Amino acid sequence: QVQMKETGPGLVQTTQTLSVTCTVSGFSLTSYGVHWVRQAPGKGLEWMGIIWGDGSTNYNSALKSRLSISRDTSKSQVFLTMNSLQTDDTAVYYCAESWFAYWGQGTLVTVSS
Amino acid sequence: DIQMTQSPASLSASLGETVSIECLASEGISNDLAWYQQKSGKSPQLLIYAASRLQDGVPSRFSGSGSGTRYSLKISGMQPEDEADYFCQQSYKYPLTFGSGTKLEIK
Repeated sequence: QVQMKETGPGLVQTTQTLSVTCTVSGFSLTSYGVHWVRQAPGKGLEWMGIIWGDGSTNYNSALKSRLSISRDTSKSQVFLTMNSLQTDDTAVYYCAESWFAYWGQGTLVTVSS
Repeated sequence: DIQMTQSPASLSASLGETVSIECLASEGISNDLAWYQQKSGKSPQLLIYAASRLQDGVPSRFSGSGSGTRYSLKISGMQPEDEADYFCQQSYKYPLTFGSGTKLEIK
C-alpha cells in the first residue's frame, strides 16, 4: 500500500529558506520518481520538479534558480528546498509518485513578513 | 512551456446530467494528457491518463477523449460526489503544466 506524507514548517519568514520532507512507503525511491506540486490558496496546480529513480532531477524553469530536490533512499524520504521565499510562495505543497496515482495530503506553508 | 487552456472555468449541472470539460494545448501533446478531480481540502485524484485510460477504481461514468491539441473529460450522469474541481495536465514536455481548473457544482 503506497503512502506519502509531507511535513513542513507551517510558517516561514520572507527571504528565508523552505524545507519540506516527503516520506513514502509502499514503493522504492530507486524505482519510482517523486514530483513536487504546489497550490496557492484558491488557485490552480503548479508543477515544481521531480527527482527520478536514478537520482536525476528536472525542475520548473520558473523556480529552478531557487529550488532543489534531493532524497535519502535509506529513509524513503524526498526533500524540497527553496530559498528566497516571498509571500506568493504561500501554498499547499504536495508530493506525488511518478505517475501521479498517489499523492500526499499536502502541507500548508505560509510565508509571512 | 506548453499552455493548457481549460474551459469552462465553472459549471453547474443537475443530478444525472452529462457534463463535459475541455482542455486545449498550445501545441500537440500526443495524448499525454491526464485529468484530476480535487475535492475541497483534499489532494488531487487521478481520474484519466493517456487521454482516455480510466485509472483503477474510478467510476466508469468518467471518460476522456481527444487527440492532438484538444482533449475533453465527460461525466455521464452527474452524481453528488462529483462536485469538485477538475484539472487537466500535460506530460508531453517538461515543465509539466496544468489547466487552470473547472469548478463543477450541483445545480
